[in-house]
Amino acid sequence: EAGVAQSPRYKIIEKRQSVAFWCNPISGHATLYWYQQILGQGPKLLIQFQNNGVVDDSQLPKDRFSAERLKGVDSTLKIQPAKLEDSAVYLCASSLDLLNQQFFGPGTRLTVL
Amino acid sequence: KQEVTQIPAALSVPEGENLVLNCSFTDSAIYNLQWFRQDPGKGLTSLLLIQSSQREQTSGRLNASLDKSSGRSTLYIAASQPGDSATYLCAVRQASGAGSYQLTFGKGTKLSVIP
Repeated sequence: EAGVAQSPRYKIIEKRQSVAFWCNPISGHATLYWYQQILGQGPKLLIQFQNNGVVDDSQLPKDRFSAERLKGVDSTLKIQPAKLEDSAVYLCASSLDLLNQQFFGPGTRLTVL
Repeated sequence: KQEVTQIPAALSVPEGENLVLNCSFTDSAIYNLQWFRQDPGKGLTSLLLIQSSQREQTSGRLNASLDKSSGRSTLYIAASQPGDSATYLCAVRQASGAGSYQLTFGKGTKLSVIP
């Protein structure tokens, strides 16, 4: 069974630039999550989708971050414009439904200079 | 607001030792608790999931316990091996105000097993 795929694996940008991350969840998983993990911290949930609808985006900085999940499968997370404090690993995870075990992708390491 | 604390932040042990990692949480109204492993530059791998009604779960050399009323969980690793070296994260799942369920993570314990 293929795992959660993410791209790119690494990205370096300058502040005020834009960046987008892509995630392909495990086939058949209805729930998709985006997390931000700052160095030395645990992951923090940014947004949660159930199929193609947003379930929880209470911790997403909506002035600069946006995410979508078209057709209830792949998802993209965008930052526009990026700030220095956005430097982190962005993890995508998926699960069969809201209460099941989450499976994580390898993450995208973002460095904002 | 739920807070998850993991102690110690880092641990170094010689190969073959048994060890215990600790996790505590402030709000006992949890649905379940999950232990993850994270290797450098990689995502998280789920190790064990304990439902709120359960006391413990075992998988191979790993045993996780849960005392929901006191807000504590432990991860016991038997006969540690160098391949166990990684960061171990504890996370609790509870209902969120948005009508869903959310995982709250601790900062992790970085384990080094010395050959």
